Amino acid sequence: GAVVSQHPSWVICKSGTSVKIECRSLDFQATTMFWYRQFPKQSLMLMATSNEGSKATYEQGVEKDKFLINHASLTLSTLTVTSAHPEDSSFYICSARGFWERPYEQYFGPGTRLTVT
Amino acid sequence: AQTVTQSQPEMSVQEAETVTLSCTYDTSENNYYLFWYKQPPSRQMILVIRQEAYKQQNATENRFSVNFQKAAKSFSLKISDSQLGDTAMYFCAFMKLDSGTYKYIFGTGTRLKVLA
Repeated sequence: GAVVSQHPSWVICKSGTSVKIECRSLDFQATTMFWYRQFPKQSLMLMATSNEGSKATYEQGVEKDKFLINHASLTLSTLTVTSAHPEDSSFYICSARGFWERPYEQYFGPGTRLTVT
Repeated sequence: AQTVTQSQPEMSVQEAETVTLSCTYDTSENNYYLFWYKQPPSRQMILVIRQEAYKQQNATENRFSVNFQKAAKSFSLKISDSQLGDTAMYFCAFMKLDSGTYKYIFGTGTRLKVLA
């Protein structure tokens, strides 16, 4: 099956700094990638959708200047949390879909835990 | 707007017994997809089962089956012969076409604990 990885799996950063999370499709070309946020014991909320080579589309209420998404290649998307604050602490999950996949076939990464101190 | 409701925040079941997790959704669309995902303590999302709305037959995957009632907008998951490894958070999800892209809407989840 298709594999999606995320790096790092856990990151701790100080308030005010920026942190980058990578999402890679290891064995397929991901034309579309999705970024989700999951607070403890809560559901996954879609933050943004990115298509390779295009600007990301953000969901309502998500600050695009705070959560910078880059999908520069068919195997890599990055999420940068800029000027992180403790309230940005959360679990971030990416998923990916290839061009030839059926619309419902999205493959999830293992997630990244961000802790802002 | 589409919504997905899971009314059971937590459930428990004895090992080898059967348990049913409920899910209702709201949509005005006719063609869509429904899913159940499992999220174990590792937090990796694992697809359990998928149902296409145009299919009347309920989907089954080994010990997992669904009861899809389109008119009632209900999509419950039945786990038979529950195993300790089934202990996890279960999310019901609806997939919709939004601005040319299929996107998930997840329910709030049901935490299932299988007891030895």
